[in-house]
Amino acid sequence: GESVGLHLPTLSVQEGDNSIINCAYSNSASDYFIWYKQESGKGPQFIIDIRSNMDKRQGQRVTVLLNKTVKHLSLQIAATQPGDSAVYFCAEINTGTASKLTFGTGTRLQVTL
Amino acid sequence: EAQVTQNPRYLITVTGKKLTVTCSQNMNHEYMSWYRQDPGLGLRQIYYSMNVEVTDKGDVPEGYKVSRKEKRNFPLILESPSPNQTSLYFCASSSQTSGRLIETQYFGPGTRLLVL
Repeated sequence: GESVGLHLPTLSVQEGDNSIINCAYSNSASDYFIWYKQESGKGPQFIIDIRSNMDKRQGQRVTVLLNKTVKHLSLQIAATQPGDSAVYFCAEINTGTASKLTFGTGTRLQVTL
Repeated sequence: EAQVTQNPRYLITVTGKKLTVTCSQNMNHEYMSWYRQDPGLGLRQIYYSMNVEVTDKGDVPEGYKVSRKEKRNFPLILESPSPNQTSLYFCASSSQTSGRLIETQYFGPGTRLLVL
């Protein structure tokens, strides 16, 4: 079946460095992608999204890159801070037909001082 | 403040004792959904609702029931809980247009359930 996955279960980054979290998706019909952040004891929180007609989108300190050719999504966090420590999920959906998001299993980002 | 609330946040129960986890949103969203989160499996959808009185099964509906009598509320019911339903549960909501899901979902804080 279709799936969304992550390359690395845990990523350790030094404070101030940039972080890159990767995600592979298998449904070529997906046209909308979202990154969520989940801190310990909390529900997932929306970070940034991107539609399939774009290959890059920037937010505040975060950038999402979409490569449809290889079905790959990445989240870049600039100048990583201790408050960025969390589990990050990618999710995908075909907005024309699907009624639900498909989530990846998550990557834990650990920020070291 | 726009939010999704869930109650209770923590619950310990025994096998077979019916329980209900409530979910409420104040954003007038049409779409609501329940997920369970288990280690290594990510978020899996249990049930969802596109609007009042419209509900449908997600990926893992067995052992669960839902109802959508009002737009703001979407309770999750476990008629006869079993230990394999021990999990972390999240409710989410989002708006939609013309039956298509508007993509950004807002999540509640989670309900941690332990079934003995």
